[in-house]
Amino acid sequence: AQKITQTQPGMFVQEKEAVTLDCTYDTSDPSYGLFWYKQPSSGEMIFLIYQGSYDQQNATEGRYSLNFQKARKSANLVISASQLGDSAMYFCAMREVQIQGAQKLVFGQGTRLTINP
Amino acid sequence: DGGITQSPKYLFRKEGQNVTLSCEQNLNHDAMYWYRQDPGQGLRLIYYSQIVNDFQKGDIAEGYSVSREKKESFPLTVTSAQKNPTAFYLCASSIAGGRYSPLHFGNGTRLTVT
Repeated sequence: AQKITQTQPGMFVQEKEAVTLDCTYDTSDPSYGLFWYKQPSSGEMIFLIYQGSYDQQNATEGRYSLNFQKARKSANLVISASQLGDSAMYFCAMREVQIQGAQKLVFGQGTRLTINP
Repeated sequence: DGGITQSPKYLFRKEGQNVTLSCEQNLNHDAMYWYRQDPGQGLRLIYYSQIVNDFQKGDIAEGYSVSREKKESFPLTVTSAQKNPTAFYLCASSIAGGRYSPLHFGNGTRLTVT
């Protein structure tokens, strides 16, 4: 069963607008972590933001914030004031288990974000 | 600067040949990982290692092998038994333990097998 669902294969946004990328997840474990990564066309994966299941506040990192709705099992990424450099693939990932310190992450299919000038 | 180095960036092989992808990190991380990415898809875990001389199969380990003889290095061998080896391969590392330990990724190796 798919554990991370990103329902938007592609999104087109005007520069300077805010954008929300959707992510829903499925787990029965009360302790989990959610990550968002950015993948530019060059291929590297860049860590953006993290939300722990027990964190009381929504995570924020500069222009990135995470709209965490635990009861709905959603962890949407919000990018404020989008820039041309934000054009990339964005992946939501969930820490599935932690085995002797190593983290097994499961990734969604990704959303391709294109920022138009 | 600390980071993860994957080499080469592009790799071409003939079908039936084994090929080894290099991954070196100088972040002093205990845990290392190999992921595979197919076009338009998310990442899938091949193998991971929590500590030197120990590693575990991920979700798609068939046709792959790894070794972890040094903390800094986690090479991946794509064997001839892997039925569809053409893909983008990403290596990652993380601090072992802790709730907040994001994976740090290398720049990837694009493997093409013909």
